[in-house]
Amino acid sequence: EVQLVESGGGLVKPGGPLRLSCAASGFTFSNAWMSWVRQAPGKGLEWVGRIKSKTDGGTTDYAAPVNGRITISRDDSTNTLYLQMNGLITEDTAVYYCATDHGLFNWGQGTLVTVSS
Amino acid sequence: QAVLTQPSSLSASPGASASLTCTLRSDINVGTYRIYWYQQKPGSPPQYLLRYKSDSDKQQGSGVPSRFSGSKDASANAGILLISGLQSEDEADYYCMIWHITAVVFGGGTRLTVL
Repeated sequence: EVQLVESGGGLVKPGGPLRLSCAASGFTFSNAWMSWVRQAPGKGLEWVGRIKSKTDGGTTDYAAPVNGRITISRDDSTNTLYLQMNGLITEDTAVYYCATDHGLFNWGQGTLVTVSS
Repeated sequence: QAVLTQPSSLSASPGASASLTCTLRSDINVGTYRIYWYQQKPGSPPQYLLRYKSDSDKQQGSGVPSRFSGSKDASANAGILLISGLQSEDEADYYCMIWHITAVVFGGGTRLTVL
């Protein structure tokens, strides 16, 4: 069974950094393209970015609103996906989900990030 | 103009069918895209329902009932999620998605009320 468990969320001050993790199990993580998707309170889904598998180049693509402020990385030895966020702004307040593959077939439960002074 | 436009809400009766639309911006052709659909209930993450490009290129999510199906309306440049035999448990938010260039784009979501 595919399991994705996000962690690392919490309250952070504007301008601060935060790193989220997504622990994956139940599938071959190293072969999977992985995405981060966020959802602001009461709002719709917003894609944040994606990292390809290393066999497909391991490259990343980011959404325009966060490009330059985030880095997605992966550790295939520990089956963990990361989202490093810097220069956080209030608009980054959201539940952050990790999701698998090109079709976002499987999702974690999410971790809440609140950016507030 | 948004890349994907969904009506914000839709109501339908139990047992009836509901057709949820996802209209693509006029400069992008629905025929060239796989459209993905997700269901999200309050307090839960989204769940993948299905993907549809054509009758020969479609995929049902694991465990998703066959009363959920996808199609397209080329004349409207739209993808469609059809839910037949509506049940109270189908009440949820529904999102469409496409990969556009190298980015995922979501529609704004449709809140389906079954009453």
